[in-house]
Amino acid sequence: GEDVEQSLFLSVREGDSSVINCTYTDSSSTYLYWYKQEPGAGLQLLTYIFSNMDMKQDQRLTVLLNKKDKHLSLRIADTQTGDSAIYFCAETNNQGGKLIFGQGTELSVKP
Amino acid sequence: NAGVMQNPRHLVRRRGQEARLRCSPMKGHSHVYWYRQLPEEGLKFMVYLQKENIIDESGMPKERFSAEFPKEGPSILRIQQVVRGDSAAYFCASSPSTSGRGEQYFGPGTRLTVT
Repeated sequence: GEDVEQSLFLSVREGDSSVINCTYTDSSSTYLYWYKQEPGAGLQLLTYIFSNMDMKQDQRLTVLLNKKDKHLSLRIADTQTGDSAIYFCAETNNQGGKLIFGQGTELSVKP
Repeated sequence: NAGVMQNPRHLVRRRGQEARLRCSPMKGHSHVYWYRQLPEEGLKFMVYLQKENIIDESGMPKERFSAEFPKEGPSILRIQQVVRGDSAAYFCASSPSTSGRGEQYFGPGTRLTVT
């Protein structure tokens, strides 16, 4: 069935790069997403990538997709304390349908 | 452009009572999704609706839970006879019908506590 896995915690120092990893099982995934959740808040869509792409860059964010290995990563350059949050990877295998989420990676940024 | 709105933000119910959660999608969005987040877990899909239609309810518990998205007004997620295990954050998301990317925009959530 569909499954999305993420490591639970990541700790980095301010100014370093953060890399959050995600693996998924559904080979028919069409879009993959990264969402950010701050404490007590909803989910903020950060970026997405279509399955026929292997990289997408948006300011400090770089998304890499290895479709063969079903591996997705989010790199945050020059990580700031304001980046501390839970990051969720999600995928969908059809347009307009349900998202399947990973369990989230808690990013802690230390000054 | 106002984002997805949910109310109430916090809801406390005693076991056996009913909970009604409301969601107003972003302007111009006709697709609504409900997700549940249990403590320290990811979001789990519950139901996908368009105006007056349930498109996919594969994530809805078979009993006590129902959802609607009427022609006028917000989408409602209704939980009858709540139990402690229903305590969770319930998130609504919306997307525009013309989006080929399927991106969903989330509301702030309703945190339900069953005592």
